[in-house]
Amino acid sequence: DAGITQSPRHKVTETGTPVTLRCHQTENHRYMYWYRQDPGHGLRLIHYSYGVKDTDKGEVSDGYSVSRSKTEDFLLTLESATSSQTSVYFCAISRALAGYNEQFFGPGTRLTVL
Amino acid sequence: AQTVTQSQPEMSVQEAETVTLSCTYDTSESDYYLFWYKQPPSRQMILVIRQEAYKQQNATENRFSVNFQKAAKSFSLKISDSQLGDAAMYFCAYAGGETSGSRLTFGEGTQLTVNP
Repeated sequence: DAGITQSPRHKVTETGTPVTLRCHQTENHRYMYWYRQDPGHGLRLIHYSYGVKDTDKGEVSDGYSVSRSKTEDFLLTLESATSSQTSVYFCAISRALAGYNEQFFGPGTRLTVL
Repeated sequence: AQTVTQSQPEMSVQEAETVTLSCTYDTSESDYYLFWYKQPPSRQMILVIRQEAYKQQNATENRFSVNFQKAAKSFSLKISDSQLGDAAMYFCAYAGGETSGSRLTFGEGTQLTVNP
């Protein structure tokens, strides 16, 4: 447990509505990540952050934006949700362990877009 | 870009037997790390084992071991003395060196069933 929480844990929304998912960490780690998990695809990186206000795109960033105004919070926003964004979303942090940065994952958020 | 491929969507094993899960990857980097993650029905992602590319010795963690073939870009996971609690989805993952920001690239996953 690396002190990572995600909220909400489940959400059902309608196409076209904005949605914001929150990732909160308690250990002051620099790197944070958002992944989505879909059957047949494993986990795919959406966006990541390497510090406050420092973010970059991952491989599936279209339709998503992120913000990090505080070290402990990393927000993922779907400006106008679509059915293709129905997925399980995982937040992760990177913690230095024995010379390597190991990733620890939050519990996930299941998002359904109707 | 790096890719990770798991060609076995499903595998099954009898309790107490040994099973091997396959993973291949493609990269042009020389410095990287490989991982196996386990995801039980709870959805929690759990790191099983890690291999540094510069190490020739295969990593081992209790009943879990890897066969790392760098030239072939192959990274298989062997589970010995399988237990019912090993039943889960297993993901192979790749991370580049220090400049990559530890971003992970995952394979598609292998669903492991353990039969009593």
